[in-house]
Amino acid sequence: AQKVTQAQTEISVVEKEDVTLDCVYETRDTTYYLFWYKQPPSGELVFLIRRNSFDEQNEISGRYSWNFQKSTSSFNFTITASQVVDSAVYFCALSEAGDDKIIFGKGTRLHILP
Amino acid sequence: DTAVSQTPKYLVTQMGNDKSIKCEQNLGHDTMYWYKQDSKKFLKIMFSYNNKELIINETVPNRFSPKSPDKAHLNLHINSLELGDSAVYFCASSQDGPENEKLFFGSGTQLSVL
Repeated sequence: AQKVTQAQTEISVVEKEDVTLDCVYETRDTTYYLFWYKQPPSGELVFLIRRNSFDEQNEISGRYSWNFQKSTSSFNFTITASQVVDSAVYFCALSEAGDDKIIFGKGTRLHILP
Repeated sequence: DTAVSQTPKYLVTQMGNDKSIKCEQNLGHDTMYWYKQDSKKFLKIMFSYNNKELIINETVPNRFSPKSPDKAHLNLHINSLELGDSAVYFCASSQDGPENEKLFFGSGTQLSVL
């Protein structure tokens, strides 16, 4: 069975600090896909990244970076030099190859304090 | 141009009523979804349609009935609304299954059942 765990329910950091959001997943498939989505206070869901299980290279996009480690079944998300606009709920998600559904974690609410 | 649009954005109604939420996507995608986000921000898939055909039907009360008149539309009809139906409902679409393409989400419909 597939499962996504985001153990951090809520995190608060002061602006300009770095912050890492944890994501641990469970799957029996060898081919799967991992995602991060952002939900700002306005409510919409915004796609951030998709990784497949064969690509363990870490990815950096501006202040955002992702650390995918199959050995620990983790796909952590780091925001460097956080800004108030980063305040949002962040969801990690998993989809197994050939499956039409995507399973979301419960989300981590991130507060960036000015 | 809005890629995935849902109407209404807010829906307040009494228990026992029947209501519909409409969703349209102009991306030419083959697959559409309905997700429910509860008060704790947990996102759970409800239904998935591919080319007007039901693919996923998770454990959802049969008071919820999706209808896909064409592949650009996936409406959600809810009969005999209950207090526990209060949530934000998100429509989404993707070209293929979610493992191949990112999901594009609508802005959500906040349903409040009184």
